[in-house]
Amino acid sequence: AAGVIQSPRHLIKEKRETATLKCYPIPRHDTVYWYQQGPGQDPQFLISFYEKMQSDKGSIPDRFSAQQFSDYHSELNMSSLELGDSALYFCASSLIPPDEQFFGPGTRLTVL
Amino acid sequence: AQSVTQLDSQVPVFEEAPVELRCNYSSSVSVYLFWYVQYPNQGLQLLLKYLSGSTLVKGINGFEAEFNKSQTSFHLRKPSVHISDTAEYFCAVSERDFGNEKLTFGTGTRLTIIP
Repeated sequence: AAGVIQSPRHLIKEKRETATLKCYPIPRHDTVYWYQQGPGQDPQFLISFYEKMQSDKGSIPDRFSAQQFSDYHSELNMSSLELGDSALYFCASSLIPPDEQFFGPGTRLTVL
Repeated sequence: AQSVTQLDSQVPVFEEAPVELRCNYSSSVSVYLFWYVQYPNQGLQLLLKYLSGSTLVKGINGFEAEFNKSQTSFHLRKPSVHISDTAEYFCAVSERDFGNEKLTFGTGTRLTIIP
């Protein structure tokens, strides 16, 4: 069965650089969620989209922005990267109403 | 706002012994409840979920959990663990409210199986 695809899987950036993370949801899933998991921490909700519109917003820094495109894939754009942005970024997708969120393998971002 | 408490950050268990990982939640509205497992350097995999109906839910890999509304708990159990169960386990909750389906996770319990 098709799963959530995230790219790239690993990303290394310098401080103050920008990064773009991509998420391709399971076909026919109309909702995408982004989560950030710092080292040794639990995943924290960043932002979600339903039918290409932002549906909820969590603890996402102003330096980050995201959108969902017409083909339902989503991109998380991160600017002015800081050391503290080093984390595993997960994308998940679901149908509405959501009885389960399906997680991608994550993108490991390292900021040097 | 909702919150999840996993009191045990680490649980060591001998192989073939039973295990219970505790989870308590707090929410002002009705919720869905989930347990996810994360193996080292991997993503999150759903073990089981409670949406409605029977309070005892069975999941993959022999795990089960029981929803207790009065105690606001959703403890995870397995009667006999295996080495391959070594992983981080996260309890999570989401509100039954359109537009607020984000998952709120507990801080996780690291299950270590001792041979």
